[in-house]
Amino acid sequence: DAGITQSPRHKVTETGTPVTLRCHQTENHRYMYWYRQDPGHGLRLIHYSYGVKDTDKGEVSDGYSVSRSKTEDFLLTLESATSSQTSVYFCAISESGLGTDTQYFGPGTRLTVL
Amino acid sequence: GNSVTQMEGPVTLSEEAFLTINCTYTATGYPSLFWYVQYPGEGLQLLLKATKADDKGSNKGFEATYRKETTSFHLEKGSVQVSDSAVYFCALSDLKGGTSYGKLTFGQGTILTVHP
Repeated sequence: DAGITQSPRHKVTETGTPVTLRCHQTENHRYMYWYRQDPGHGLRLIHYSYGVKDTDKGEVSDGYSVSRSKTEDFLLTLESATSSQTSVYFCAISESGLGTDTQYFGPGTRLTVL
Repeated sequence: GNSVTQMEGPVTLSEEAFLTINCTYTATGYPSLFWYVQYPGEGLQLLLKATKADDKGSNKGFEATYRKETTSFHLEKGSVQVSDSAVYFCALSDLKGGTSYGKLTFGQGTILTVHP
């Protein structure tokens, strides 16, 4: 199994509070991704990174920011959480970033915004 | 833009039944196609993939063929087991321009429940 951990695994927070989710990998893969999973929508890409300090927006990036200061860590921040951001968040990694490459997923973080 | 459409679920089968989960896609370039599976309480893991037209991906008794003419990548298994109960996601990664960065577009997922 690919070495990917996410923290926290579960979090309950209140509307308007900042939240940071962490993804940590031990595979030294260059590419990292944040997705959210919602019923009826599958997974949707929030942000991705193609190297240290290199990030870009995905399909549903509004209200989210990311940072990657080290190869192994990719942080997702909700600056001011809203109820619409209640979801399950998955981090994924990819070695080459090629379209043919397999992505490996973390165990997920369940976030509830009250 | 890119999109993936899966058959609506949930799907409920008896053990040893034949499984088909339909998946169709639209893409602007030359996509690779994937099936990922999510077991209860876990993250997604790759089940199989196909990277060019007419390729067949296979794993654990599951198969899917990349059909460019029908823009489809249907998942099949001849005899399902209780342990196959999971959520199945069809996904694509578009290679147009070679700058996709591996970004995946997912279908909505199909819940499969297999009863003994």
